[in-house]
Order: sequence, then structure tokens, then C-alpha cells
Amino acid sequence: AQKVTQAQTEISVVEKEDVTLDCVYETRDTTYYLFWYKQPPSGELVFLIRRNSFDEQNEISGRYSWNFQKSTSSFNFTITASQVVDSAVYFCALSEEGAQKLVFGQGTRLTINP
Amino acid sequence: GAGVSQSPRYKVAKRGQDVALRCDPISGHVSLFWYQQALGQGPEFLTYFQNEAQLDKSGLPSDRFFAERPEGSVSTLKIQRTQQEDSAVYLCASSEGQGAYNQPQHFGDGTRLSIL
Repeated sequence: AQKVTQAQTEISVVEKEDVTLDCVYETRDTTYYLFWYKQPPSGELVFLIRRNSFDEQNEISGRYSWNFQKSTSSFNFTITASQVVDSAVYFCALSEEGAQKLVFGQGTRLTINP
Repeated sequence: GAGVSQSPRYKVAKRGQDVALRCDPISGHVSLFWYQQALGQGPEFLTYFQNEAQLDKSGLPSDRFFAERPEGSVSTLKIQRTQQEDSAVYLCASSEGQGAYNQPQHFGDGTRLSIL
């Protein structure tokens, strides 16, 4: 069965600090995709990244970076030099090969204080 | 705009009433998904369309929930005889290709449904 766990319910940091959001997943498939989405107060889920199960290279996009480790079934997300605009709820999600749905974690509410 | 559009943005209904929620996907997107998001939780899958065909409705919580996409574009999610536990945000998403496996889904702002 598919499952995504985001153990951190809420995180609060001061602006310019680095922060890492944890994501642990469970799947029996060898082929799957992992995603991160951002949900600002407006409610719309904004796509951030997609990573397939065969690509364990870390990825960096500006202040954002992602660390995918199959050995620990984790796909963690780091924001460097956080900004107030990064405040949102962040969701990690999993989709198995051939599946018609995303399975989301419960989300981590990130608050960046000025 | 060019994004996924959902209406109404907010809906308040009395228990027992029927409601209809609308989703306009991104033009040309083959796949359309409905999710239900309870307060403080992650979205949960309800149903999936590939063009006009409803290929997966395994997430619909009961037979009171019905979704359609008759012409392969706009979709409507209908809830009959609403109950308080139906209160949630209903999110619609679309993607360019088939399925959810390797496609990023583009989400609308959602419809916040409150059942009194």
C-alpha cells in the first residue's frame, strides 16, 4: 500500500534560517514518482518538483533543494535562507506506476517569522 | 486565466441539500482529478477522468457522490443529500497527459464546502 508520512506538523523559524521538511514514503513498487507541492493561504496547490524512483540525484533550484534517498525511503526538502514568502503548507506526494492518483502526506505548516 | 478554475469558491448548504461543484481544467488537458481536503489534512483522491471516461472512482466515499465530465473538458462533482462530514475543500486538478504517474498536476483554488 502507498503511504506518505510528514512527521513535522508545524515548523517555525526566523527569516534567513535554513529549514528542512521531512518526507518518508512507503510503496511496494519499484517504479514511482515523488512530488512536492506548496499550498499558500489562497489554497491553490503549487507544483514544485517531480522525481522518479530511478533518479537519486539531488536537485537544486535557487534556494530550494531536494534530497532523495531510496535506502531510507525519504525525499526531504530544504529551503536555504528562508523568506517570509515561503510561509505555506508543504505537501509531499507519491504516485505509483500506472496509478491514477497522488497520495499525499498530511503536510507541514511552515511559518517564517521576520 | 490559463489555470484550473473552480466555482463556486465557497458554498454553504443545509444538511440534506444537493450541491454541484464545477471545475474548468486547463485547455487541452486530458486528465482531470478531484480530491477532498479536510481541515488540517492532505488532499485525498476521489476520482479520475481521462477525457470523458471516468477511469477510477475508487475514492468516492459513498454513492451520494457523483462526478461527470461529459464532453471531456468541464467537470462537475455532485453531492446528494449532504451531511456534515462532507464539509471540506474540494480540489480539482488537471494534467496534460494520461494518468497521475509521471505528470505534474495543476490544481485549482478549490471549493470550500460547509454543511450546516
